[in-house]
Amino acid sequence: ILNVEQSPQSLHVQEGDSTNFTCSFPSSNFYALHWYRWETAKSPEALFVMTLNGDEKKKGRISATLNTKEGYSYLYIKGSQPEDSATYLCAFLTDSWGKLQFGAGTQVVVTP
Amino acid sequence: NAGVTQTPKFQVLKTGQSMTLQCAQDMNHEYMSWYRQDPGMGLRLIHYSVGAGITDQGEVPNGYNVSRSTTEDFPLRLLSAAPSQTSVYFCASRHTTLAGGSYEQYFGPGTRLTVT
Repeated sequence: ILNVEQSPQSLHVQEGDSTNFTCSFPSSNFYALHWYRWETAKSPEALFVMTLNGDEKKKGRISATLNTKEGYSYLYIKGSQPEDSATYLCAFLTDSWGKLQFGAGTQVVVTP
Repeated sequence: NAGVTQTPKFQVLKTGQSMTLQCAQDMNHEYMSWYRQDPGMGLRLIHYSVGAGITDQGEVPNGYNVSRSTTEDFPLRLLSAAPSQTSVYFCASRHTTLAGGSYEQYFGPGTRLTVT
């Protein structure tokens, strides 16, 4: 089982503040890194699929970077809003036919 | 597109009963999988399939069977329900080739199962 680790496990952010958190994954046999947003009582929804070292992706106030050589990805939320409250999952893929290995997630709570 | 659909949304079983959770997708995805979500455990992979007629075990396969007779459908069977199988079950699907589209995984709405 591949080791995908996310930190911190949870964080509380004031509305308007920016924040970021980390996903660490094995640097060997890299194929793709996924980020998902998972709101309570809903299903996970894909945010980004990142495949190239140095990739930067952006969707609104959320962005992500990827470093495959050292095995980490950062997710940034700029100007957090209460609707950003969710668990953010990263998942690692070693080949297109393989299993997505999920991290345990970072739970983000944004308070007004 | 309906995306990934799951039925039922909720189910209560008694210990020892069997049932099938249904999953279907209309995106022509090759890869389909079943996860369970338990408090503090994140998403754990039960079984997965890379195409019709091909299935394989994930991290927690015991007590579950799957089959994949068509590209669209991937049912999960509980053979003899146990209280330890009380959980929320998610079905998911994705492409395995860039020619098919993005690799992002799409999740169904989930089935909340209680075994008493």
